[in-house]
Amino acid sequence: KAGVTQTPRYLIKTRGQQVTLSCSPISGHRSVSWYQQTPGQGLQFLFEYFSETQRNKGNFPGRFSGRQFSNSRSEMNVSTLELGDSALYLCASSLDERLAGVRSSYNEQFFGPGTRLTVL
Amino acid sequence: AQKVTQAQTEISVVEKEDVTLDCVYETRDTTYYLFWYKQPPSGELVFLIRRNSFDEQNEISGRYSWNFQKSTSSFNFTITASQVVDSAVYFCALSPSSNDYKLSFGAGTTVTVRA
Repeated sequence: KAGVTQTPRYLIKTRGQQVTLSCSPISGHRSVSWYQQTPGQGLQFLFEYFSETQRNKGNFPGRFSGRQFSNSRSEMNVSTLELGDSALYLCASSLDERLAGVRSSYNEQFFGPGTRLTVL
Repeated sequence: AQKVTQAQTEISVVEKEDVTLDCVYETRDTTYYLFWYKQPPSGELVFLIRRNSFDEQNEISGRYSWNFQKSTSSFNFTITASQVVDSAVYFCALSPSSNDYKLSFGAGTTVTVRA
């Protein structure tokens, strides 16, 4: 079974530009989460999507947005890039099994290798 | 607010030594989950364990063991007889029990195991 894939693996952008990162979850996984990892702030939760809906959101400005498609693939977008947005962006997917809408057991999150974004 | 503190930034040991990683947390939630993840040089985080706050039993999995002490808000991780392949950054994380996708991570501890 293929793992979580993220594209591109590396990106270089300049300040003011926007960027879109893509995440393909493990087949059958319906929950996709995004995290930002920087040397200064560490790992921080951005948002989580399930069935094309944003279910959870971290404390990031509105420049950070995301979406999920019907095949569970997810994209995140950062507009008006700032130098401080340089980071490793990690995506994670989870099976999130539910019975009658209630999660029956814990399904661990599987992480992708990340996209390294450099803003110049 | 939730906070996870990993006071050890880096630990270097010689192969076969034991290494213990400290994790102290703060939360106002009465129930919560604690996690440990490993991040090897390749970058992806690898899940190691999830522990519910009402389950204070220690756990052992092969060379890994975890010591959860609610009284001191600590969830420490020990690697016994370390190996070079254990070299990685290890993260402790916390989430409310109502939402175990919203992880708050510690700063991480870099473990280097020398042959």
